[in-house]
This record gives sequence, structure tokens and C-alpha cells, in this order.
Amino acid sequence: DGGITQSPKYLFRKEGQNVTLSCEQNLNHDAMYWYRQDPGQGLRLIYYSQIVNDFQKGDIAEGYSVSREKKESFPLTVTSAQKNPTAFYLCASSIERNQPQHFGDGTRLSIL
Amino acid sequence: GNSVTQMEGPVTLSEEAFLTINCTYTATGYPSLFWYVQYPGEGLQLLLKATKADDKGSNKGFEATYRKETTSFHLEKGSVQVSDSAVYFCALVYNQGGKLIFGQGTELSVKP
Repeated sequence: DGGITQSPKYLFRKEGQNVTLSCEQNLNHDAMYWYRQDPGQGLRLIYYSQIVNDFQKGDIAEGYSVSREKKESFPLTVTSAQKNPTAFYLCASSIERNQPQHFGDGTRLSIL
Repeated sequence: GNSVTQMEGPVTLSEEAFLTINCTYTATGYPSLFWYVQYPGEGLQLLLKATKADDKGSNKGFEATYRKETTSFHLEKGSVQVSDSAVYFCALVYNQGGKLIFGQGTELSVKP
């Protein structure tokens, strides 16, 4: 079955460490996205990519970095510069930017 | 700027009650409108969509009509079930832009 796979489901980070969240899709979608969700709030866009080797900052890109070396993969690195990284991170993809987005099941990141 | 506003939750209903979750938007032009549903610990799933004025999206007994004159896209269901308990997000996207803008989400709790 086609879909989006995020791993791991739970992730713990020590202070000062970088961590990378994985996102893989087999839907053959061109566009991919990363969102952050905090309790009781909507989703906020971190980064998005419309095509391989290209990506743009979203609304809250500071402290995060991404790469898009393959169409299927869009990993997100939460750097030590992100001072409040504890959140639920959701990856999504769509055929094109204006089409409905399909979401993975998320990764919950916590600070030790 | 463009924005989406949903009624605040939590909304608590008894099984078989009628559901309305209000959603209004502020936007220039003609966006496409979506409702997404998020079950506990999971990512978002597209529930229904409408791409132009007076379109009615429907799925799993849920309906929403794109009302341009009132800039609204209220979600309705005639008879809710316990399994409908989740957080519901209203969202919009522009055909030309592609950025998905979410409301803050409305939690629905259905009691037996």
C-alpha cells in the first residue's frame, strides 16, 4: 500500500544534540512538507519542498534543516539551535502544492 | 493575511446527536477548502474537500458546503458515533500558492 512512513514514532534528545527525523513516501508525490504540532494548537509549517534538490522555509524554520536528495525522502534535522523542540512532528506529501496533502503518523520528540 | 478560524473545543456530544463544527476563513481570491481529522496519536487524514463556491464535500456521513458569501465551510454530521471522537481541522489552500493554512483544530468527544 502506498503511504508515508515516519520514523521513529518516539524520539528523545539530549540538550545540545541534533536529531534527524525520517520521512519516506512511496506515493510518487513531488511535494513534501514538515509541520510542527503543539498541544491544543494547529499545525505550523517548518519547511516544504516542491521538487528534488529544492526546498523553502515555512513559517517556523529557525533551528531546523532539511534535505531533498531523493523524491521519496525528506528528512528533518532538529538542531541544537531549536530551543523548544518538544513537539509532535508531522510529514506530509502531495502530488502538487495545491492538492490535498497526505500525512504520516508523526514523530513525538521529547527532551531528556 | 489569509487565516482559518474554527469554533473552540472541546465539543462533547452524546451518540447519535447532530454535529456542527463551524469554520470561517479570511482570504483573497478563491481557495480550495478541506476538513482533516486526527485520531489520538496519529497523523491527519483528509476527510473531505471542496474546490469552488457551492461545492459540497462529503465522506463517511460528514458534509461541508463551500459558502463564498459567508466565507464559511462548516462541518456537519447527522448522527455521530463514539468512533468519531477526534480532532477536526479546517484548512485552505490557494491553487496558485499551495501553502496549506490550518485552523487551530476542534476536539470532538462523543459519549455512549
